[in-house]
Amino acid sequence: GQSLEQPSEVTAVEGAIVQINCTYQTSGFYGLSWYQQHDGGAPTFLSYNALDGLEETGRFSSFLSRSDSYGYLLLQELQMKDSASYFCAVKGSGQGGKLIFGQGTELSVKP
Amino acid sequence: NAGVTQTPKFQVLKTGQSMTLQCAQDMNHEYMSWYRQDPGMGLRLIHYSVGAGITDQGEVPNGYNVSRSTTEDFPLRLLSAAPSQTSVYFCASRLTGGGNNEQFFGPGTRLTVL
Repeated sequence: GQSLEQPSEVTAVEGAIVQINCTYQTSGFYGLSWYQQHDGGAPTFLSYNALDGLEETGRFSSFLSRSDSYGYLLLQELQMKDSASYFCAVKGSGQGGKLIFGQGTELSVKP
Repeated sequence: NAGVTQTPKFQVLKTGQSMTLQCAQDMNHEYMSWYRQDPGMGLRLIHYSVGAGITDQGEVPNGYNVSRSTTEDFPLRLLSAAPSQTSVYFCASRLTGGGNNEQFFGPGTRLTVL
């Protein structure tokens, strides 16, 4: 099976940097993804790491260490609009591998 | 492209009633899936499909049926609704080969079972 752990809540101030960690256990691993969800709306894709290392997309970066079964999402220059829930997700084996999500981290950005 | 569409947006059922949640996508994605989201529980996979005629169970399949007769449509059926099925249901789709495995979600169906 697959399971993921991430903090339930994180609070930071506008302009700061915040890191959301994710550890996972899976029998077959084909990548770690991150999704953002505002106010219960449709989750939207942020990033995907298949290999170890850092992927950068604008203010957001995502890191993966397969040997540690660990990844994180780094948000820089925080803005009020970044207040949302963030989910890590692991993709199981095969092209049709199912995507299993963590329970989500609620980020609150304060002025 | 409309992306992933879901109907209805809201639904109230009585215990024991049946209904079908509709999901369609126009991106020619092979992979489609259904999730439910409850407070503090994240997104839990109900069923998924890797192509027409192929479906499989996810983490919480009990009480739900699916079928995939076309690439575009992936309906979710509740045969006998129970209050425990009160939740927000999201349908999602993605390509199965290569790329960044980006999964696209529909707007959700908010279901209440009384």
